[in-house]
Amino acid sequence: DAKTTQPNSMESNEEEPVHLPCNHSTISGTDYIHWYRQLPSQGPEYVIHGLTSNVNNRMASLAIAEDRKSSTLILHRATLRDAAVYYCILPSGNTDKLIFGTGTRLQVFP
Amino acid sequence: GAVVSQHPSRVICKSGTSVKIECRSLDFQATTMFWYRQFPKQSLMLMATSNEGSKATYEQGVEKDKFLINHASLTLSTLTVTSAHPEDSSFYICSASMGFGTEAFFGQGTRLTVV
Repeated sequence: DAKTTQPNSMESNEEEPVHLPCNHSTISGTDYIHWYRQLPSQGPEYVIHGLTSNVNNRMASLAIAEDRKSSTLILHRATLRDAAVYYCILPSGNTDKLIFGTGTRLQVFP
Repeated sequence: GAVVSQHPSRVICKSGTSVKIECRSLDFQATTMFWYRQFPKQSLMLMATSNEGSKATYEQGVEKDKFLINHASLTLSTLTVTSAHPEDSSFYICSASMGFGTEAFFGQGTRLTVV
């Protein structure tokens, strides 16, 4: 699996943008970049995924570096409900198997 | 969007008994489902890949005779924790997707407590 590196934790104030970084320097050409988040006592929730181009959906934006060795998940206006652990994952070689790292714990303050 | 449903959400069982957890894909067919385990304050650990119509593939260190997986149809996978012991107490989560390059959908998780 291509390994990802994320900061252990980040903080934000409510209604401010949040940029969650992820490094994946060993990414291969066919690896998708997935982001999931997990709220306490719940199963993970899909946030966004992409391959090469930046992606936007109603939850977030995904900015992918030109060399694809890093990406950034952007929450445009953080809310208290966005407090969660965010996981950046590259599915295992041409499969849909997800191996979770430690993720980034995002705290959002009112 | 597609939904994966997991049942039960919470179960308490006595040591030595077996517990079955169900994972259903409600509006799509899943030839592959995944089972995870999560201990408090830790990340999800992949236990096994459930393959419809064939044997499950277990990750290293996971006992296949202890964690029995059956994927009898394209919408249902079950995980049976056999002869459960207190150390098996954990949060078990299943997931499924529509294939490579697509998003994964997760069940709400099952909190197992073995007393």
